Amino acid sequence: AQTVTQSQPEMSVQEAETVTLSCTYDTSESDYYLFWYKQPPSRQMILVIRQEAYKQQNATENRFSVNFQKAAKSFSLKISDSQLGDAAMYFCACRSGAGSYQLTFGKGTKLSVIP
Amino acid sequence: GAGVSQTPSNKVTEKGKYVELRCDPISGHTALYWYRQSLGQGPEFLIYFQGTGAADDSGLPNDRFFAVRPEGSVSTLKIQRTERGDSAVYLCASSLYGTASEAFFGQGTRLTVV
Repeated sequence: AQTVTQSQPEMSVQEAETVTLSCTYDTSESDYYLFWYKQPPSRQMILVIRQEAYKQQNATENRFSVNFQKAAKSFSLKISDSQLGDAAMYFCACRSGAGSYQLTFGKGTKLSVIP
Repeated sequence: GAGVSQTPSNKVTEKGKYVELRCDPISGHTALYWYRQSLGQGPEFLIYFQGTGAADDSGLPNDRFFAVRPEGSVSTLKIQRTERGDSAVYLCASSLYGTASEAFFGQGTRLTVV
């Protein structure tokens, strides 16, 4: 079994500034993947970034990067140069175990971007 | 279509009624998933199809819930004798294979049981 915890129900950031969303997880598996998904009001879950547990290097996708601390089981998302379009719910998720397909999600963080 | 399509977008039904929710996955995707997202929560896994068969239905909450994918493409989630607690957004996702490939989500069906 795996658990994902997001301790920040809501966050806000000034446009063009940087914000970090927190996530901790727990799994007994050594093989797992971590994800951040964005859910705008349209409800569609959009993959922002993924991290394979065996990779030590933190994943980066343009303005989005992660801080993966494996020993601490922490997986935070940093959004640089925040834009109005970044406003949404953000969900951290884990998929663990060889051959696994099931995602376990946290409760989400609502991000507001202030113009 | 280019993405995962779910219909209807919204559904209001009376307690005790039967509903069907439809999911059209991305063409060629063999894996299909259903998740349920209650208000203020993250999505929770319901069922996983690989081709036509339900490879894992361990997330279905009870026997009122059933899902099919008869031709390995479109899937229908069926809920009998709906209860107010069934109100949620039902999300469908598909992926090219099962395990390592990325899952693409649809926009969900918001089900409201009154």
